[in-house]
Amino acid sequence: DGGITQSPKYLFRKEGQNVTLSCEQNLNHDAMYWYRQDPGQGLRLIYYSQIVNDFQKGDIAEGYSVSREKKESFPLTVTSAQKNPTAFYLCASIRTVTTNEKLFFGSGTQLSVL
Amino acid sequence: QKEVEQNSGPLSVPEGAIASLNCTYSDRVSQSFFWYRQYSGKSPELIMSIYSNGDKEDGRFTAQLNKASQYVSLLIRDSQPSDSATYLCAAGGGTSYGKLTFGQGTILTVHP
Repeated sequence: DGGITQSPKYLFRKEGQNVTLSCEQNLNHDAMYWYRQDPGQGLRLIYYSQIVNDFQKGDIAEGYSVSREKKESFPLTVTSAQKNPTAFYLCASIRTVTTNEKLFFGSGTQLSVL
Repeated sequence: QKEVEQNSGPLSVPEGAIASLNCTYSDRVSQSFFWYRQYSGKSPELIMSIYSNGDKEDGRFTAQLNKASQYVSLLIRDSQPSDSATYLCAAGGGTSYGKLTFGQGTILTVHP
């Protein structure tokens, strides 16, 4: 079945540590997105990529980094510069950004600080 | 700064009643609007999308859009306990349809 796979489901970060969240899609979608959700809040855009080897900052990019070396993969690194990383992280993809299409979400990664 | 505001809730309705969820948006260039349902600890699930002024119905759900008033609403008829969830309103622009701005969500509880 086609879809978006995020791993791990739960992740714990020690202070000063970088951690990487995985996002893989087999939908052949052009664009991929990372959103952050804090308890009781909506989703906020961290980074997005509309084509391979290109990505743009979203509203809250500080303390995060991404890469898009393959169409299928869009990993997110939470760096030690992100002082409040505890949140639910959602990866999403869309077939094309030029028409109204459905945004597909992965199942999410819950990141907590030890 | 693009903003999407939802009625704060939480909203509690009896089973079988109509639940009304409201949302306003600040960016007039927004062209696409979505309602997502999210259960605790799960990812959002798209339940309605609307792009033109007026009403759009899908089963028990009706979305309403008024671009002049920058207002979007979702009506859930014959509410069921399984409808209990957080409902997220989202708006998208015309240059990149995947870049959505989300509201903070409204918690809906349907009690038997």
